[in-house]
Amino acid sequence: SSELTQDPAVSVALGQTVRITCQGDSLRSYYASWYQQKPGQAPVLVIYGKNNRPSGIPDRFSGSSSGNTASLTITGAQAEDEADYYCNSRDSSGNHLPVVFGGGTKLTVL
Amino acid sequence: EVQLVESGGGLVQPGGSLRLSCAASGFTFSSYDMHWVRQATGKGLEWVSAIGTAGDTYYPGSVKGRFTISRENAKNSLYLQMNSLRAGDTAVYYCARGDHGDPNAFDIWGQGTMVTVSS
Repeated sequence: SSELTQDPAVSVALGQTVRITCQGDSLRSYYASWYQQKPGQAPVLVIYGKNNRPSGIPDRFSGSSSGNTASLTITGAQAEDEADYYCNSRDSSGNHLPVVFGGGTKLTVL
Repeated sequence: EVQLVESGGGLVQPGGSLRLSCAASGFTFSSYDMHWVRQATGKGLEWVSAIGTAGDTYYPGSVKGRFTISRENAKNSLYLQMNSLRAGDTAVYYCARGDHGDPNAFDIWGQGTMVTVSS
């Protein structure tokens, strides 16, 4: 398996831009997916692949990747973006289904 | 409406067994890879198991040999048989659908079912 590392907490002023990062060796080969989770709710996919947003996800959410680091950027953060964010990626087993999740980042919108 | 609904959670003693179910609706269940993901209270997400469209199964080391994932396409259902349960298995268990084009993109999640392992 492999590990994905995220900063435990990040804050951003309302309307400003924030980047949440995810580091791991598997990200050199595979894209990360990103999930938003609000208290008491199931996770929601917000970014996948190179930089794809599922239907209904605002375009202020974007993704990028460089080397062993994937990033989720929120441009013009809104109060409703305050949540936990998780990345995941395929693990290093070589099989197409096993995945690993990052530890999560708690985003506070000030 | 595309939907996943888990059931079967509850309180079980250490060493006991539990079978979780996930009912899928609104999509062609047999065409998708499916996963179980768990989350202990106040903790992060942990991938628990996966089953491909061909029935191939995968597990992390933490549950391998104790948990078994299966699917019954005729019933649009996913299952997780959990044996030799430990206190560390206490968590909300989610079933999730793998996106067609991106294996690690889980595009649909259920609401979760709580499993508590305690004496």
